[in-house]
Amino acid sequence: QVQLVQSGAEVKKPGASVKVSCQASGYTFNSFGVSWVRQAPGQGLAWMGYINTQTGDTNYAQNLRGRVTMTRDTSTRTAYMELRSLTSDDTAVYFCARCPTPSCYLKAFDRWGQGTVVTVSS
Amino acid sequence: SYVLTQPPSVSVAPGQTATISCGGNNIGSNVVHWYQQKPGQAPVLVVYHDSARPSGISERFSGSNSGNTATLTITSVAAADEADYYCQVWDSSIESPAVFGGGTKLTVL
Repeated sequence: QVQLVQSGAEVKKPGASVKVSCQASGYTFNSFGVSWVRQAPGQGLAWMGYINTQTGDTNYAQNLRGRVTMTRDTSTRTAYMELRSLTSDDTAVYFCARCPTPSCYLKAFDRWGQGTVVTVSS
Repeated sequence: SYVLTQPPSVSVAPGQTATISCGGNNIGSNVVHWYQQKPGQAPVLVVYHDSARPSGISERFSGSNSGNTATLTITSVAAADEADYYCQVWDSSIESPAVFGGGTKLTVL
């Protein structure tokens, strides 16, 4: 069955970087895009960006441009999200989510990973 | 950037119908998707493209979208439907193409 399995919880100091992985199974990886969405404690969902798993093209939320990089490794069916220069405002649960086409634009997020807790604290 | 406005909370008795609104400027010209999120869990897609249901989602969930308001309707509400619900659209803005509403907490009385 379709599964997105994310890497484990992370604790980082301010100024550090974090890289979260999302390994897909149960479907053809490069036929479906991957978006990343985060949720701060007690808050709503916030879209971070997506990667076209076929071409590697990316589209990031403007407020994260320059700090976020999304990549994919088609050989291991894994998508990655790296966030740099972390502050306490980046403390959140980070989700990967599948889109039904290689590009996520205009599409719904039809399957989600279990989430990765990232805590930024000195 | 595009703003989606949802009521913070909606309460309904078991067996009744819940309606959750999602307001946005001319949202009827956008495609709206809806997600359900229970505490400590990842979101689940319940309605896509305004009114379509993914496989495995109950027929009790339906959606509509017109003018400045999109609506998620849940009929015969049960305790298991208690969750946060989020609407989402794709906007042509370069700031953040994908936008979520603030979420609505559905409470089953």
